[in-house]
Amino acid sequence: KNEVEQSPQNLTAQEGEFITINCSYSVGISALHWLQQHPGGGIVSLFMLSSGKKKHGRLIATINIQEKHSSLHITASHPRDSAVYICAVGDGNQFYFGTGTSLTVIP
Amino acid sequence: DGGITQSPKYLFRKEGQNVTLSCEQNLNHDAMYWYRQDPGQGLRLIYYSQIVNDFQKGDIAEGYSVSREKKESFPLTVTSAQKNPTAFYLCASSGTLNEQYFGPGTRLTVT
Repeated sequence: KNEVEQSPQNLTAQEGEFITINCSYSVGISALHWLQQHPGGGIVSLFMLSSGKKKHGRLIATINIQEKHSSLHITASHPRDSAVYICAVGDGNQFYFGTGTSLTVIP
Repeated sequence: DGGITQSPKYLFRKEGQNVTLSCEQNLNHDAMYWYRQDPGQGLRLIYYSQIVNDFQKGDIAEGYSVSREKKESFPLTVTSAQKNPTAFYLCASSGTLNEQYFGPGTRLTVT
């Protein structure tokens, strides 16, 4: 059983669309992270959340601690948003990772 | 600025050679971690260290070794015993007050 589940696994969107990626986790956590990885590239940390909601530009991340669920939203999607988005949770002892959501935004 | 540095971003080695991946942090974090990512798979824990001079094996430690002689450094050596070393390697650290950071990663190719 995976401690972190993401959905969808793959997502294709038209430029300008509103995108939502979901993450559910089963362990007790101290923080949840959303990471971005471009093909062949490194990891970029987008958000670290322990409660509520954070916004950075066109990206919004929310977390519901009671439901053990987080969402990453991308407004007005752009082809440069095409990447793999990974949800990770830390419980103070280690991190657990989802398998990622591969997003392709078509012009 | 505080953060985690992993170098190099891309690394190429011949089969049979040991290779050491660097991970440095200036966050004063006690705990550091190494993860491996294979195509289409999630990241898996190789080794972690909660304190200087101590480290523990993770889920896939075979063929790897680490050291933690300094708080800020946690190098990972991929030995010739690792059967499939080509992968993406990610270093992370965590401290008090929910501080958790990830490095940018190193992509290792062994031919």
